[in-house]
Order: sequence, then C-alpha cells, then structure tokens
Amino acid sequence: DTEVTQTPKHLVMGMTNKKSLKCEQHMGHRAMYWYKQKAKKPPELMFVYSYEKLSINESVPSRFSPECPNSSLLNLHLHALQPEDSALYLCASSQGVVAKSPLHFGNGTRLTVT
Amino acid sequence: AQSVTQLGSHVSVSEGALVLLRCNYSSSVPPYLFWYVQYPNQGLQLLLKYTSAATLVKGINGFEAEFKKSETSFHLTKPSAHMSDAAEYFCAVRNSGGSNYKLTFGKGTLLTVNP
Repeated sequence: DTEVTQTPKHLVMGMTNKKSLKCEQHMGHRAMYWYKQKAKKPPELMFVYSYEKLSINESVPSRFSPECPNSSLLNLHLHALQPEDSALYLCASSQGVVAKSPLHFGNGTRLTVT
Repeated sequence: AQSVTQLGSHVSVSEGALVLLRCNYSSSVPPYLFWYVQYPNQGLQLLLKYTSAATLVKGINGFEAEFKKSETSFHLTKPSAHMSDAAEYFCAVRNSGGSNYKLTFGKGTLLTVNP
C-alpha cells in the first residue's frame, strides 16, 4: 500500500468542466510534487511545494492550478483542459527538497479529457 | 545539467534468469541515483537509492545496484527473475548541488518475464 493517497483514481471531464485532484500524505514530509505521465513515457515534473509554498512551476499552463492547504494535502485544480492533457497525474512527497531525499509516489489519477 | 540514459527500452528474460537493467548517468557534480518500478496502472515505487554511502546498494524484492563512478553507471540486477517482476523500471538522478529539487528520469525499461 502506498503512503501517498490520491483521489479520485479515475476522472473523465469535458473541456469546459472544473475538477480537482487531491493528494494526501501522513509521513510528515515537507515537500510535495505534481507529475504528469503520458503512456510509455517517464513522469514529467509540473510543480514543487516546499513547506507549503510553491517553489517550482515548470512552465505549466494556467489551466492547471496547484494548491497546498497544509503540509499533508496537495490539490490540483483543473479548468478548461484540452484532450492532450489526458494522462496519469502523480503526486509525490519527500522529507525535504534535498537531493538525497527520495520521492514517494501515489498511485495516480488517470485523467481523460473529452 | 544532469541526465540519465537507460539502455534498452525493452528487456525480456526467462523466469529464474538474471535480470540486468542498464543505467548510465551524466552529472557535473556527484549524483544521487534512484531506481523506481511501476506496475501497470500504479504509481512509482522506490526500489533502491544511492546517496554516496556504500557503492553496492540493496533494495526491495531482491534487487540491487552498483554505483560505478568510472563507468558513470548504476545498473540494476536481480539474480533470479520472478513473474511478478514484470513492470516498467525507471532510473533517476538528482544532483547533489544546484537545482537539486529536480529528479530527472530515464525513458524507462519494460521488463517482461517469460515462463
């Protein structure tokens, strides 16, 4: 069982919908991440939060809006997505934003945009 | 800049045979290296990590990897493959300095295990 929990597991949304992905960890980690993974590709970094502050945005389009309400929770708000945004969205956490600290991943949300 | 090259996008072995998945890295500073496994429809699970302690690193599920600085390699091995090892494997690198937040992944190697 993963220690990073993501909900929902699957999401289908239209291009005009607004939806949110949720991520929760109870390992006391202070860094949290959003990754996007297309089929047969490695994960691509989207956002990094460190101590609940956004520290990295990898030039992600504004239709993706992250939020970190507290040290255990991470959300990704979605609005006006495109079909090419369909992918597996992975949340991860680590003890800190330090190089030797491994990332722990959730099982992801499979997003389909119609 | 840091990068990882995984040689072989697909490796096929027989059950009970040696598993060898290759990873070479490029880094201007001492790297930290990780192997992750991804089963179908799941997230990534950490197999093992190298963080500049012992060069031979043992991980979960009987996997191990050896850091070889002279060869800039961090190959993953397992003496005897099980059917349950069939999955996608990713090697990843993080620099020990600079923009060390970013975990750079290789393109992945799909391991199939034949009965």
